[in-house]
Amino acid sequence: KAGVTQTPRYLIKTRGQQVTLSCSPISGHRSVSWYQQTPGQGLQFLFEYFSETQRNKGNFPGRFSGRQFSNSRSEMNVSTLELGDSALYLCASSLGQRHTYNEQFFGPGTRLTVL
Amino acid sequence: AQKVTQAQTEISVVEKEDVTLDCVYETRDTTYYLFWYKQPPSGELVFLIRRNSFDEQNEISGRYSWNFQKSTSSFNFTITASQVVDSAVYFCALISSGNTPLVFGKGTRLSVIA
Repeated sequence: KAGVTQTPRYLIKTRGQQVTLSCSPISGHRSVSWYQQTPGQGLQFLFEYFSETQRNKGNFPGRFSGRQFSNSRSEMNVSTLELGDSALYLCASSLGQRHTYNEQFFGPGTRLTVL
Repeated sequence: AQKVTQAQTEISVVEKEDVTLDCVYETRDTTYYLFWYKQPPSGELVFLIRRNSFDEQNEISGRYSWNFQKSTSSFNFTITASQVVDSAVYFCALISSGNTPLVFGKGTRLSVIA
């Protein structure tokens, strides 16, 4: 079974630009979560999508948004990039069943550098 | 509020030594799940184990073992006879009932020296 894939793997942008990151979950997984990882803040939850609906959202500004498509693939968008947005963005997929809190499987991440 | 504390920021051991990574969690919920993930230099988090709050049985998988103790709110991870390939950052994480996201500890960087 193919794992979680994320594209692109590396991205360099300048301040003020916007960026879209893509995530394809494991086949059959309906939940996709996004995390930001930085050396200072560690792993921070951005949002979770389940069946095309945002089920949970972390404490990030409105510049960070996401969506999920009917095939469970997900995208996240960051507008008006700031230097502090430089990070590794990780996507994780799971079956999404709340009552059992299935483990999440992570993709390789997209490393975003903002200059 | 949920919180996970991994007090050990970095650990360095010589190959074949045993090493224990500590994890202490906080939650008011009675139903919750604990996880351990490994992040090698490549960056991808690798799932290691999931444990629910009603199952305090310790688990062993090869050289890995986990000690879950609700009395001390701890979920410690031991690697026996460590190998260089065990070098990575290890994260402990918690999710509890209700609409809460997965909360990660800050991670422990383990270096195994040959």
